[in-house]
Amino acid sequence: QSVLTQPPSVSGAPGQRVTISCTGSSSNIGAGFEVHWYQQLPGRAPKLLIFGNSNRPSGVPDRFSGSKSGTSASLAITGLQADDEADYYCQSYDNSLSGSDVFGTGTKVTVL
Amino acid sequence: EVQLVQSGAEVKKSGESLKISCQGSGFSFTSYWIGWVRQMPGKGLEWMGSIFPGDSDTKYSPSFQGQVIISADKSISTAYLQWSSLKASDTAMYYCARLTTRSWAYWGQGTRVTVSS
Repeated sequence: QSVLTQPPSVSGAPGQRVTISCTGSSSNIGAGFEVHWYQQLPGRAPKLLIFGNSNRPSGVPDRFSGSKSGTSASLAITGLQADDEADYYCQSYDNSLSGSDVFGTGTKVTVL
Repeated sequence: EVQLVQSGAEVKKSGESLKISCQGSGFSFTSYWIGWVRQMPGKGLEWMGSIFPGDSDTKYSPSFQGQVIISADKSISTAYLQWSSLKASDTAMYYCARLTTRSWAYWGQGTRVTVSS
């Protein structure tokens, strides 16, 4: 089971804003490790959406934004579009045990 | 252009061995960590481990330590994930990815592994 918890699903109408939370602990997000976000379209490999808490790779629309505070992080999608319907994962590093990268539990975004 | 190209789908029986590959191109293969990620059917992403081909330094998730071996052949810019004795629970899609800006910025297309009992 993942140490980063996300809501199983969120939904919104086209044009609306949705947010996805990623809750960690003092051994990962709360320890200052960066949070990254990935989008996985159905049947496709994951794609990096946000790196370093709030940075967008080249080509990612500014409708996607990330933030981090304390032991949690959030991904916001504004101006929701039909092709935003996908699974979204947060990822960070956890220094408990021997230390390793960890992914969140994943959130399915549905466009109504 | 950075590319990671993975080997094709595999269908195996329990107890058999398997080695899947991930070939990189468009970048200096010895300068970046290459990781492996498992996605079981209908489930989320799990980081398995990673390797730095430049010196073969390898890290494993505690969940996968002792269950798989990650290796690399820098002469052909290829990373590997191998099992000595597959189980039905190893049925999954496996992705390789390259670490950039402390995140997994580039991904392979995935290798589907099916293990029948």
